[in-house]
Amino acid sequence: SQQGEEDPQALSIQEGENATMNCSYKTSINNLQWYRQNSGRGLVHLILIRSNEREKHSGRLRVTLDTSKKSSSLLITASRAADTASYFCATDDDTDKLIFGTGTRLQVFP
Amino acid sequence: EPEVTQTPSHQVTQMGQEVILRCVPISNHLYFYWYRQILGQKVEFLVSFYNNEISEKSEIFDDQFSVERPDGSNFTLKIRSTKLEDSAMYFCASLNLRGTLNTGELFFGEGSRLTVL
Repeated sequence: SQQGEEDPQALSIQEGENATMNCSYKTSINNLQWYRQNSGRGLVHLILIRSNEREKHSGRLRVTLDTSKKSSSLLITASRAADTASYFCATDDDTDKLIFGTGTRLQVFP
Repeated sequence: EPEVTQTPSHQVTQMGQEVILRCVPISNHLYFYWYRQILGQKVEFLVSFYNNEISEKSEIFDDQFSVERPDGSNFTLKIRSTKLEDSAMYFCASLNLRGTLNTGELFFGEGSRLTVL
């Protein structure tokens, strides 16, 4: 089964800096989504990028997708302390489920 | 804003006991899911449910697990005889049919933390 792997596993930055997280997966996908999880809470959808898209923006978020490399990146620009959370990529391979990656724990220091 | 609600937020049980975790998905959603997350680890798919039957399940979802939609609103996960390794956060999620995974997002509840002693 396909599996997303994020790197880095953990990332610490200062407020105002950009944070980049990467995700790799193994099989063909229909789309790739990014979710955020605050500690001990549920996952919240951030952005979806389809397999025929290469880049997508939403506010301070920028997602890229390279299907030839089976990888995606999530960039958070001008980070804030409130961005501190775990970030997961999730892929859909035309089945009825999303498969989540291992996550990146982002810590933004004020 | 509509949300997925889960109860209980935390349950402590003895090994071998039965546990039922409850979820109320968003009312017009038609796909339902259970995921679990062992502390600090990845979010693992357990089962998807559509049209009153299991659509897909993972190898984790063995005979000890079952799901049910007993009425028009609740969606339950039952673990018949809990093991220590069942300790995890269990998340319910739902999806609007019109959304589908190709265009839409999963809406997650806040989770039920299960501790098996």
